[in-house]
Amino acid sequence: GQQVKQSSPSLTVQEGGISILNCDYENDMFDYFAWYKKYPDNSPTLLISVRSNVDKREDGRLTVFLNKSGKHFSLHITASQPEDTAVYLCAAGARRGGNNKLTFGQGTVLSVIP
Amino acid sequence: GGIITQTPKFLIGQEGQKLTLKCQQNFNHDTMYWYRQDSGKGLRLIYYSITENDLQKGDLSEGYDASREKKSSFSLTVTSAQKNEMAVFLCASSPWGDEQYFGPGTRLTVL
Repeated sequence: GQQVKQSSPSLTVQEGGISILNCDYENDMFDYFAWYKKYPDNSPTLLISVRSNVDKREDGRLTVFLNKSGKHFSLHITASQPEDTAVYLCAAGARRGGNNKLTFGQGTVLSVIP
Repeated sequence: GGIITQTPKFLIGQEGQKLTLKCQQNFNHDTMYWYRQDSGKGLRLIYYSITENDLQKGDLSEGYDASREKKSSFSLTVTSAQKNEMAVFLCASSPWGDEQYFGPGTRLTVL
């Protein structure tokens, strides 16, 4: 089954609003969580990541919230701008297990409209 | 800084053909990955390699072979191309436990 799930294939937000992207996971061993951004015809690039020893990390307009008991993490983008329009991929990995691979979600297409 | 290159950029094959995709990185990263990207399915891991001559199967390894000839290069072979198949194959590399850097992709079309 799908170990990392993004239940919303798309999200539309008004410019200036908050974009909230969600990701659920199944594997208790996951201890590394990341969000990648992908523009059309470009490759994914890392936006922000967290380890499981924290439940929140902020970087400018981006905040990742981690809910370990609920096996859920989310990306909040404040003051959303049209240039935030892209595909957002969540990913999780089990670093403690000596594993260097990531499992990606299906992606959410974010559209920020002026 | 560094760069990941993938060749070819576009690959057109015939049904049943064996096709090879190549990836090179000059980051000196230990781990390299091959993903398949399909619309609505995100990125699915085909194979990865944690060091030269190492191979680890991902979730989608059936129908593919891979080879880590040296630290800087990782190739992927589609053993028998499926008719009407269209996908983008992404190569990535990373230092241990950190960000993955992706190449520009190879777009496969099978006639």
